[in-house]
Amino acid sequence: SQTIHQWPATLVQPVGSPLSLECTVEGTSNPNLYWYRQAAGRGLQLLFYSVGIGQISSEVPQNLSASRPQDRQFILSSKKLLLSDSGFYLCAWSSYSYNEQFFGPGTRLTVL
Amino acid sequence: GDSVTQMEGPVTLSEEAFLTINCTYTATGYPSLFWYVQYPGEGLQLLLKATKADDKGSNKGFEATYRKETTSFHLEKGSVQVSDSAVYFCALSDNRNSGGSNYKLTFGKGTLLTVNP
Repeated sequence: SQTIHQWPATLVQPVGSPLSLECTVEGTSNPNLYWYRQAAGRGLQLLFYSVGIGQISSEVPQNLSASRPQDRQFILSSKKLLLSDSGFYLCAWSSYSYNEQFFGPGTRLTVL
Repeated sequence: GDSVTQMEGPVTLSEEAFLTINCTYTATGYPSLFWYVQYPGEGLQLLLKATKADDKGSNKGFEATYRKETTSFHLEKGSVQVSDSAVYFCALSDNRNSGGSNYKLTFGKGTLLTVNP
């Protein structure tokens, strides 16, 4: 069966510090991968998606970037965090053939 | 573009009450429809789905029917439990890229459900 991991689970960082969040998927190959942010309240904002290694599409201009160095690894980064980057970050995957997405457990980021 | 509108709540019910969370959508073509559930501090879990008109998705006592004529996908449960307390998201997937391309989901804003004992 397929599983998706995210780490760290919780992170507290000062403003201006770098960020690296990691997401990995097991049990499938060539997944589509997604990064979402869920700010205070409940709405989900799609940040990036990837259909293959090295292929990244950005949905919104922002202080963040994404990379996909391996087939089942998706990384969210920032060079200098802003207060507004605080939130709950969710990684998800979908298969080539089916359109539902499966979510990881999330990373709670607090920027102080 | 595609959009999903769901009642924002919050919805507060007593245990064993009947639940309805309304969801309507706007989309070009024939989208797939989903309900996701998010328990406190966790990621989203797929609750149920429907891929074509008149399909009924069901899981854990929850049901939703894909109504193309009213562009709706309302979530229902006959008797809620305290453990159903969570945020519920309605979502759609544009199936126009039917060649197996990237499937982006469009989410509603979520409905917070609280069930009291």
